Amino acid sequence: GQQVMQIPQYQHVQEGEDFTTYCNSSTTLSNIQWYKQRPGGHPVFLIQLVKSGEVKKQKRLTFQFGEAKKNSSLHITATQTTDVGTYFCAAPSGWGKLQFGAGTQVVVTP
Amino acid sequence: DAGVTQSPTHLIKTRGQQVTLRCSPKSGHDTVSWYQQALGQGPQFIFQYYEEEERQRGNFPDRFSGHQFPNYSSELNVNALLLGDSALYLCASSLGGGDQPQHFGDGTRLSIL
Repeated sequence: GQQVMQIPQYQHVQEGEDFTTYCNSSTTLSNIQWYKQRPGGHPVFLIQLVKSGEVKKQKRLTFQFGEAKKNSSLHITATQTTDVGTYFCAAPSGWGKLQFGAGTQVVVTP
Repeated sequence: DAGVTQSPTHLIKTRGQQVTLRCSPKSGHDTVSWYQQALGQGPQFIFQYYEEEERQRGNFPDRFSGHQFPNYSSELNVNALLLGDSALYLCASSLGGGDQPQHFGDGTRLSIL
């Protein structure tokens, strides 16, 4: 079956630095979604990418969908303490069935 | 504009018991999906309800069942509880079924003793 893998599992970042987290699928995807979960909170939808090679930006966050639609990345510039949390990618695996990756847990050091 | 609401917030049960969790979707949404999230892991899809029917199911045993009511609210039932069922149970709502972005509730923390 479809596998959705995220790397790295953990990311320690100094405040002000940039970092990237990656999401890879074993199959071609119709779309990919990204969510953020703060410690003790629930996942919050960030963005959905649909087109091959698509790039979308939200302030300091840049999301990209690979040309083959099998991978995606999230790049955060000038990391802030408000960026702390776990970032999940999620991919459809059958109609209505969303498969989440294991997430990248981000810790920011002031 | 009310978001997704879940009840109860926390629940403690013992092995073999049965539990019912409840969810009201975000205003305007008609689809409810349930997820199980173990500590340190991503949410695992249990099933999705749309038009009062279970439309899609993840890799969970028949002990997990659900229902959707005409007002779009939903229940998740788990029978014969096992220690491994301890987790955060998240309800998410969306519009029109399928793979639409999910709006999550705060979840129910279920502990099995």
